[in-house]
Amino acid sequence: DAGVIQSPRHEVTEMGQEVTLRCKPISGHDYLFWYRQTMMRGLELLIYFNNNVPIDDSGMPEDRFSAKMPNASFSTLKIQPSEPRDSAVYFCASSFWGLGYNEQFFGPGTRLTVL
Amino acid sequence: GENVEQHPSTLSVQEGDSAVIKCTYSDSASNYFPWYKQELGKRPQLIIDIRSNVGEKKDQRIAVTLNKTAKHFSLHITETQPEDSAVYFCAASVNYGQNFVFGPGTRLSVLP
Repeated sequence: DAGVIQSPRHEVTEMGQEVTLRCKPISGHDYLFWYRQTMMRGLELLIYFNNNVPIDDSGMPEDRFSAKMPNASFSTLKIQPSEPRDSAVYFCASSFWGLGYNEQFFGPGTRLTVL
Repeated sequence: GENVEQHPSTLSVQEGDSAVIKCTYSDSASNYFPWYKQELGKRPQLIIDIRSNVGEKKDQRIAVTLNKTAKHFSLHITETQPEDSAVYFCAASVNYGQNFVFGPGTRLSVLP
């Protein structure tokens, strides 16, 4: 398996623009997580899905952020409109919880810069 | 909700010495405690984990200890090497690892 795939790897955009980050989890995994990493706030869980259903979105900072998982192979995190304070590395991770105590496998991340 | 604290935030050790990173958690129902390592510019990766029914676990030069009464757990790295230099994150889970709360991280530097 190629592991968790994220695109794009780098995104530079201007304030006010819409940004869409994409993630393909490891095949067979039933959990998908979106994290944001900054120097100030560390690694923050934004939202996670189980079997394509959002379970907890309490970490989503505000209504400008939305996430979807239309099928087991694809998820998106959208920011509209983007602001400079959204600049961060966004990680997608997936796991299989079949027997409990799951390891989360992280993707390479998307480095977002909002000018 | 769960809150995880981690100390120290930065740690420098001489190559060959030991390093210890400590974490505390707030929710006594937490039952799973993984540790992730993130090298510069890379993604976090699991290095070791411990379940609440175990007090200690070892994997070569790495060990983790858990004190449920005090609600703290620690990562021990012996005979440190330059490739151990990274940011280490502890985490705690109340649902057997379905999701975690991560600590703020410790930047470990191993000096040659």
